[in-house]
Amino acid sequence: NAGVMQNPRHLVRRRGQEARLRCSPMKGHSHVYWYRQLPEEGLKFMVYLQKENIIDESGMPKERFSAEFPKEGPSILRIQQVVRGDSAAYFCASSPPWAGGSSGNTIYFGEGSWLTVV
Amino acid sequence: GEDVEQSLFLSVREGDSSVINCTYTDSSSTYLYWYKQEPGAGLQLLTYIFSNMDMKQDQRLTVLLNKKDKHLSLRIADTQTGDSAIYFCAEKKNDYKLSFGAGTTVTVRA
Repeated sequence: NAGVMQNPRHLVRRRGQEARLRCSPMKGHSHVYWYRQLPEEGLKFMVYLQKENIIDESGMPKERFSAEFPKEGPSILRIQQVVRGDSAAYFCASSPPWAGGSSGNTIYFGEGSWLTVV
Repeated sequence: GEDVEQSLFLSVREGDSSVINCTYTDSSSTYLYWYKQEPGAGLQLLTYIFSNMDMKQDQRLTVLLNKKDKHLSLRIADTQTGDSAIYFCAEKKNDYKLSFGAGTTVTVRA
């Protein structure tokens, strides 16, 4: 059972370009999350998606960032017009459908995509 | 301040026990997690504990939870050089959102 797959692992973009990060969840997982890790910081929640739905995007910057999880294919985190402050590691995670408020389902993370803006 | 706080650094001698501490703020958190991150790598789920437990043991790892004080610790017995990494404590807020600490960098010296 393959884990959460992210690509590219490393991406370099010039200021003003677009960055697209892809995430394929674990088999059987229908919930996807994106987290950002700035240098020497912990991970910060960005967005929670289910197939074709954004459930919670409270951690997404208001501009330039968008995320989708289409019916077919991987989840995409898109950053338009990148700036140096976007340089970070972006982690995708997935989980199976929740069984309820006290569900023991755990969240599994991918290897991350390291974005460097030059 | 951060919802989850950890000390930033821990140095331990090979073969000794490591204890990494974490405090969290949300008393309604249902699960608390420990993740390990090696340089340039993703997060590896080490263990987690449900909030109605006070201890969980898994081979060399022991998790202690003091819910009254909102204090979580991870003990690694017989620490090895391969245990050198950053360890993140995380609390699960609501059904899905994890709130992470800034991580504790553990350095194992010979």
